[in-house]
Amino acid sequence: DVKVTQSSRYLVKRTGEKVFLECVQDMDHENMFWYRQDPGLGLRLIYFSYDVKMKEKGDIPEGYSVSREKKERFSLILESASTNQTSMYLCASILDLGQGTEAFFGQGTRLTVV
Amino acid sequence: AQSVTQLDSHVSVSEGTPVLLRCNYSSSYSPSLFWYVQHPNKGLQLLLKYTSAATLVKGINGFEAEFKKSETSFHLTKPSAHMSDAAEYFCVVINFNKFYFGSGTKLNVKP
Repeated sequence: DVKVTQSSRYLVKRTGEKVFLECVQDMDHENMFWYRQDPGLGLRLIYFSYDVKMKEKGDIPEGYSVSREKKERFSLILESASTNQTSMYLCASILDLGQGTEAFFGQGTRLTVV
Repeated sequence: AQSVTQLDSHVSVSEGTPVLLRCNYSSSYSPSLFWYVQHPNKGLQLLLKYTSAATLVKGINGFEAEFKKSETSFHLTKPSAHMSDAAEYFCVVINFNKFYFGSGTKLNVKP
């Protein structure tokens, strides 16, 4: 089975801190995604990467950056955390983006910025 | 532009009655469509997917969905709800190599 692991289930950070959220997948997938999930808004795409060192902005990239130095690891960085970044963050891994390819998700990181 | 719209934020049914969760999409070409389910404090799980084969797609746990191109819809149904179906459901479309999620429908199942 594909396994997508997010480093923390719960995090509490202070406003202005630099925050790192880590995601690791063990199935050699090319494509990895970061979403945030908020009540009533579904999942919104922050950034995605289709190869090592490659990244593309999603729909809400402001305040975030990403790093993909190795194929299995995709990191989301909050440069200076703010209270409006309090959310559930989900990482996904996908073998390819052809038709019918399933996305596999991590368990999520619930981040609270105080 | 909104790629997928879930028409109901909350749906409440009684156990043993049918379930209908509605989803409309917009796509410039033949889309790939999915339904995912998220139980409380759990990760997202794939229920079913449409990939331009049969228009009626069967998934896990007795769920199915019908792709209707003329109506740009992909509604999720189940003949008889079970208490364990209580969860949040997301309709998803692939557009321009991205997964786009609907805003979610929370299904409540009453005893």
